[in-house]
Amino acid sequence: GENVEQHPSTLSVQEGDSAVIKCTYSDSASNYFPWYKQELGKRPQLIIDIRSNVGEKKDQRIAVTLNKTAKHFSLHITETQPEDSAVYFCAARHAGNMLTFGGGTRLMVKP
Amino acid sequence: DAGITQSPRHKVTETGTPVTLRCHQTENHRYMYWYRQDPGHGLRLIHYSYGVKDTDKGEVSDGYSVSRSKTEDFLLTLESATSSQTSVYFCAISESGRKETQYFGPGTRLLVL
Repeated sequence: GENVEQHPSTLSVQEGDSAVIKCTYSDSASNYFPWYKQELGKRPQLIIDIRSNVGEKKDQRIAVTLNKTAKHFSLHITETQPEDSAVYFCAARHAGNMLTFGGGTRLMVKP
Repeated sequence: DAGITQSPRHKVTETGTPVTLRCHQTENHRYMYWYRQDPGHGLRLIHYSYGVKDTDKGEVSDGYSVSRSKTEDFLLTLESATSSQTSVYFCAISESGRKETQYFGPGTRLLVL
């Protein structure tokens, strides 16, 4: 089955700096890669996603890049703000419309 | 938040007792999913449904069963709860036209003593 590895597990940045979270996947047939943000005690919320026919996608301060050859994708957050502090999960869609999630990255933005 | 509710939101039960969690949606979406979330493991798929009475196993289905008799309801049952099933359970839904995009419910926190 699919295996998704996510790094780092924790990330601390100063407000205004950029943050990058990286994920690798194992199944070359995976074709959809969402990112979720989860605040403490809340549900995961979809923040951005990318399909395998696209190399990069941006939405304001958030961007995702995909390298199909290397089977890795990354989340980039620019000009970080304290409200960006949360746990971020990457995922990969594979057979049967199933998502496999990475283990999560706890992002802390220090004011 | 995508018209998904889960009940109960919190439950404490004892080992060996049956437990049923309910996911209800008002979106008329075809696909529904049950995940569990544990520290260090992200979210892991337990079971999913692609229509009324159509269900399939996910990554961690042992000890769990599901039923979907109506489009809007997807039930997760722990036949005989164990302490290893202490977790936060999330339901998710996705629509037919964009089935890969999943939206999550608020979660149920289950403690098995």
